[in-house]
Parts: sequence; structure tokens; C-alpha cells
Amino acid sequence: DVKVTQSSRYLVKRTGEKVFLECVQDMDHENMFWYRQDPGLGLRLIYFSYDVKMKEKGDIPEGYSVSREKKERFSLILESASTNQTSMYLCASSLPALGANYGYTFGSGTRLTVV
Amino acid sequence: QQQVKQSPQSLIVQKGGISIINCAYENTAFDYFPWYQQFPGKGPALLIAIRPDVSEKKEGRFTISFNKSAKQFSLHIMDSQPGDSATYFCAATRRSSASKIIFGSGTRLSIRP
Repeated sequence: DVKVTQSSRYLVKRTGEKVFLECVQDMDHENMFWYRQDPGLGLRLIYFSYDVKMKEKGDIPEGYSVSREKKERFSLILESASTNQTSMYLCASSLPALGANYGYTFGSGTRLTVV
Repeated sequence: QQQVKQSPQSLIVQKGGISIINCAYENTAFDYFPWYQQFPGKGPALLIAIRPDVSEKKEGRFTISFNKSAKQFSLHIMDSQPGDSATYFCAATRRSSASKIIFGSGTRLSIRP
């Protein structure tokens, strides 16, 4: 079964800490994404990558950075965690083009709480 | 112009009834409109998708209706079942550019037994 795996299900971090969220996919997908999900706001794109070492900002990149050193792995970094970054973080991957039966494959999410 | 507006935010339907979720978009360059289904504790999963050259697509009890002139599309769930209780997201993008799907704000659907 194809899979996107996020390393942690729940995380609690302190304000000011540097936080790493890891994501690995086994589908040889070119594209990888990081979203955050908040009630009433849907899914908002933080960063995406369409190739190794390539990255582009999404809609809400402030306070975040990313790293993609290998095709299967995409890391989200919170440089200095703040309470307003408490959220559910979702990683996804996809082929370069989308179709009726193939879209984004999401991980199960990491619920991050910053205290 | 990049937004996808989704309504309602939450919906309660009796078992066996029809669930209807509506979405609207602005960008006429969009040519791919997927719906994602998310169960508690899981990530969203692709449910059904439509292209603007068709007005309706049906898969089992799930139907997408598409109105290109009004720039609106909707999801209908016929004979709704308790197992359909989930959060549903509509979305839009260009198929050739998978880099930025724009998601709606989500609808939390509850099916009452």
C-alpha cells in the first residue's frame, strides 16, 4: 500500500524551540507539500517542492522553512516555534500532473502544540 | 481570484438522505476539481474529481455536478450513511500544474442514524 509517513503523530514543543517535522513517501513522487489545517480555514499551503533541493513558497511560509535533500523525504522546519503555529500539519505528495484517479496522497498528520 | 469558497461549514443529514456541499471558484484557468474526504485522525484522501468539459460525474453514491458558466460545483451524496460522516474539502487547480491545489475551507458532515 502506497504511503506518506509523518514521523510524529503528536508533538508538544516550547515557544522558541526549533522544530523539525519529517515526511517520507514511498511512491517515487516528484512533488511534495506541507499544509497546515486549522478549523474553518481549511488546508493552507506552507511550502512545496517539485524536485530534490527545489522549493517554493506557498501561501503562508512565514516562520517556516523546508529541506528536501532526497526525493522521498521532505522536512518542515519551524525556526523558532510560536503559539500561533499550534496546528495540524499535513504532508502530501503527488505526480507532476493530476487525474481522475490520482491526486495528492496525504500523511495522517502531526498535531503540534506550542506552549 | 485564487480562492475556492465552500459551504456549508457543517451539515447534519439523516441516514438515507441527500447531503449537498457547494463550492465556487473565480479562476477560469482551473481545469481540475477534486473532492477530498477526511476521517478523524487521518489525512484527506481523494474521493472523486471532475474536469470542466463534463457537467456531471457519478461514482457510486457520490456525484459531482459542475456549472462552468456559474463557476460552481457541488458534491451530492445519495442515500447518506453514518460511515460517510467526515470532513469534505472541495478543491481546484490546473491539472498540468500539480503544484498548487487550492482547497476550500471544508464541510464537517454528520449523518444521524
